[in-house]
Amino acid sequence: EAGVVQSPRYKIIEKKQPVAFWCNPISGHNTLYWYLQNLGQGPELLIRYENEEAVDDSQLPKDRFSAERLKGVDSTLKIQPAELGDSAVYLCASSSGGSGNEQFFGPGTRLTVL
Amino acid sequence: AQSVAQPEDQVNVAEGNPLTVKCTYSVSGNPYLFWYVQYPNRGLQFLLKYITGDNLVKGSYGFEAEFNKSQTSFHLKKPSALVSDSALYFCAVRDYTGGFKTIFGAGTRLFVKA
Repeated sequence: EAGVVQSPRYKIIEKKQPVAFWCNPISGHNTLYWYLQNLGQGPELLIRYENEEAVDDSQLPKDRFSAERLKGVDSTLKIQPAELGDSAVYLCASSSGGSGNEQFFGPGTRLTVL
Repeated sequence: AQSVAQPEDQVNVAEGNPLTVKCTYSVSGNPYLFWYVQYPNRGLQFLLKYITGDNLVKGSYGFEAEFNKSQTSFHLKKPSALVSDSALYFCAVRDYTGGFKTIFGAGTRLFVKA
């Protein structure tokens, strides 16, 4: 079974530039998550999708961050414009239905904003 | 509000010795508890979970964890540590009062010395 796929793995941009991350979840997983992980910390939820619907985006900085999950499969997370403080690892995860189910994580995208 | 505490930034243990990585939590309702492991430059990988039932749960790679409701703890254990167990370990909690949002601890780095 293929795991969660993320691209790119690494991205270096200058501040004020836009950037986008892509995630393809495990086939059949209806729940998709985007997390931000700073160095030395645990993942923090940015947004959670149930199929196409964003059911929890309370932690997403909506002035510069946006996300979409068209057709309820793969997803894109965008930052525009990027700031120095956005440098972090962006993790995508997916899970099948059920609140007790574990999440499967992709390898992450390491973003460096110069 | 939900919270998770991992009181140790790092745990050092000799190969062959038992290991314990501590986790305490705070939730309003009944918790769903998880342990994940993260190897360098990789996403988090699920180890085990407690949803209900037996307080001692067994997971991947010989790990186990004990749910203790009175002490609000969910410590990760392994009877005999391997050098290959060296990694970053995250405890996570989820409950219905938090909208089933998963909250991760800050992580504990396990170092197993040969």
